[in-house]
Amino acid sequence: EVQLVESGGGLVQPGGSLRLSCAASGFTFSTYNMNWVRQAPGKGLEWVSYISSGSSTIYSADSVKGRFTISRDNAKNSLYLQMNSLRDEDTAVYYCARDAKSGYCTSTTCSYSFDYWGQGTLVTVSS
Amino acid sequence: SYVLTQPPSVSVAPGQTARITCGGNNIGSKSVHWYQQKPGQAPVLVVYDDSDRPSGIPERFSGSNSGNTATLTINRVEAGDEADYYCQVWDTSSDHWVFGGGTKLTVL
Repeated sequence: EVQLVESGGGLVQPGGSLRLSCAASGFTFSTYNMNWVRQAPGKGLEWVSYISSGSSTIYSADSVKGRFTISRDNAKNSLYLQMNSLRDEDTAVYYCARDAKSGYCTSTTCSYSFDYWGQGTLVTVSS
Repeated sequence: SYVLTQPPSVSVAPGQTARITCGGNNIGSKSVHWYQQKPGQAPVLVVYDDSDRPSGIPERFSGSNSGNTATLTINRVEAGDEADYYCQVWDTSSDHWVFGGGTKLTVL
């Protein structure tokens, strides 16, 4: 059974740092691309960052670029999100999500969906 | 950046058909995915690649995509379908995933 379990959330002051972890099990983690997605209280989903299976490709949303860093340790079946210079607007539940195995990319689209999600970890940025 | 527009809310009586739209510039050229999220739970993929269903998702859920609008259709709506629904695409110009703002489906 595929499982994604996030941890590391909590209360942090503005300007502070936090490192989120996502422990994966039930599948060959090293062969899957992974993502972080967040959801502010009462708001919609916002994609945060993507990392390819071998860490060679990383993409991040403009709202977190330069502050958040996605990484992974395939030997530990773990995904990470290092969050620095945190702001009030970073308050959200953070989910890790797995890219589906099958998909394709063209000049106009990529068909990979997020087929499994963790239950999320809450990050609260407040003084 | 690419923008996806969803209606904030859709209401439907049990047994009827719900249609949730997702608008975007030439979205018909993109692969659209749909997620269902119930209160306090993580999102669940219900339709991928415009119209395919993951295993375990009822046949009542279907999708279509053409022109500037993608649509999630839920036939014979049940009380348990009440949830927020989000569309998603990959924006090749920015290398970003984009979600729509979400639609709250209310079963009357």
